[in-house]
Amino acid sequence: AQSVTQLGSHVSVSEGALVLLRCNYSSSVPPYLFWYVQYPNQGLQLLLKYTSAATLVKGINGFEAEFKKSETSFHLTKPSAHMSDAAEYFCAVSGEYGNKLVFGAGTILRVKS
Amino acid sequence: NAGVTQTPKFRVLKTGQSMTLLCAQDMNHEYMYWYRQDPGMGLRLIHYSVGEGTTAKGEVPDGYNVSRLKKQNFLLGLESAAPSQTSVYFCASSYEQRALWEQFFGPGTRLTVL
Repeated sequence: AQSVTQLGSHVSVSEGALVLLRCNYSSSVPPYLFWYVQYPNQGLQLLLKYTSAATLVKGINGFEAEFKKSETSFHLTKPSAHMSDAAEYFCAVSGEYGNKLVFGAGTILRVKS
Repeated sequence: NAGVTQTPKFRVLKTGQSMTLLCAQDMNHEYMYWYRQDPGMGLRLIHYSVGEGTTAKGEVPDGYNVSRLKKQNFLLGLESAAPSQTSVYFCASSYEQRALWEQFFGPGTRLTVL
């Protein structure tokens, strides 16, 4: 069974500051990990995914995430926040041959000017 | 390609009424999913389908039924709506079973049950 914990339901950063959104997972099998973004009144869009290749994964819009097995973490970062990054972000986990994703509760990112 | 589309976008029901949400995808995906999104709870899987003519229960299936008569369509039905089913419903599809194939999401249906 898999589960995801996202630390912080709301994160606020200033424009140009570092973005760090935390995700910890639990999985009984080697995990595949995902970050999705949801802009207001829209569906979810894939930001990036870890599928057991490189542990540092680069995604769209300047985001990246690092898989740390020892810490069971997959935190999302972006060096410099932009106003357009304001959205809700979801971390999700699945097993290698799983056909279902388990989502975290989500983190709302607010970017202040 | 339109990707994943959902109809309707909004709906208000009275307790006890029934309705069907339609999801359509034009990517020839085998797998389709229905989720509900509630504040602070992320997305929870209601039902899913691994191919035409198949359906399976997800995490929160009670009060919902689904059908996948055609590969491109996945219908979610509420036979007797309850206020607890007030939510935003998302449909998603993916190419094959292995999780490395991402899920593509529709824009959502906002349902209010009074």
